[in-house]
Amino acid sequence: EAGVTQFPSHSVIEKGQTVTLRCDPISGHDNLYWYRRVMGKEIKFLLHFVKESKQDESGMPNNRFLAERTGGTYSTLKVQPAELEDSGVYFCASSQPGQGAKGPANYGYTFGSGTRLTVV
Amino acid sequence: AQSVTQLGSHVSVSEGALVLLRCNYSSSVPPYLFWYVQYPNQGLQLLLKYTTGATLVKGINGFEAEFKKSETSFHLTKPSAHMSDAAEYFCAVSNAGGTSYGKLTFGQGTILTVHP
Repeated sequence: EAGVTQFPSHSVIEKGQTVTLRCDPISGHDNLYWYRRVMGKEIKFLLHFVKESKQDESGMPNNRFLAERTGGTYSTLKVQPAELEDSGVYFCASSQPGQGAKGPANYGYTFGSGTRLTVV
Repeated sequence: AQSVTQLGSHVSVSEGALVLLRCNYSSSVPPYLFWYVQYPNQGLQLLLKYTTGATLVKGINGFEAEFKKSETSFHLTKPSAHMSDAAEYFCAVSNAGGTSYGKLTFGQGTILTVHP
């Protein structure tokens, strides 16, 4: 089966510009997660979709970040306007449907290759 | 709340030597534990995971990890390092209780260097 695909792989933008990252999960994976790794720091959770609904967006840094998952398929993460501290690698992961012990933690998560965002 | 601590941001071993990457976790509920590896210019790849049952878990590429509840540890080992094992390794914990959807909490990562 095809894996999790992220576009673009790299993006360099100027401060104040807008960037949109895209994630295509594995077909049938209702659960979609966004994570971010800022240089020198750990990978941190941003938000989680179940199908098209935002289940948990507790990790979103501020209102400059907007995530969508129209139709419950691919997801986009828009940063507008971008700031220098937004630089990092943005990972997407997907997992099969379910909750608790019969949910993603049991099935595991498939990660994309990430988008390296550099804001200059 | 959950947290993960990986002891040692950099570990260096000789080819053929034992690899030991340390991971300690904190969790208020029974944890599900993961080790991921990231090779240069690639995404995160699952090495192994502990959910329930046997506490010694075997993964890909000869790696294994043992869940020790009393020590809140999940250390990753490989008996004999290979040059191709050079990468960054991440330990992570997830909550699989109740209606949780199990987001991951990661450690800081450990860069493994293998010398000839």
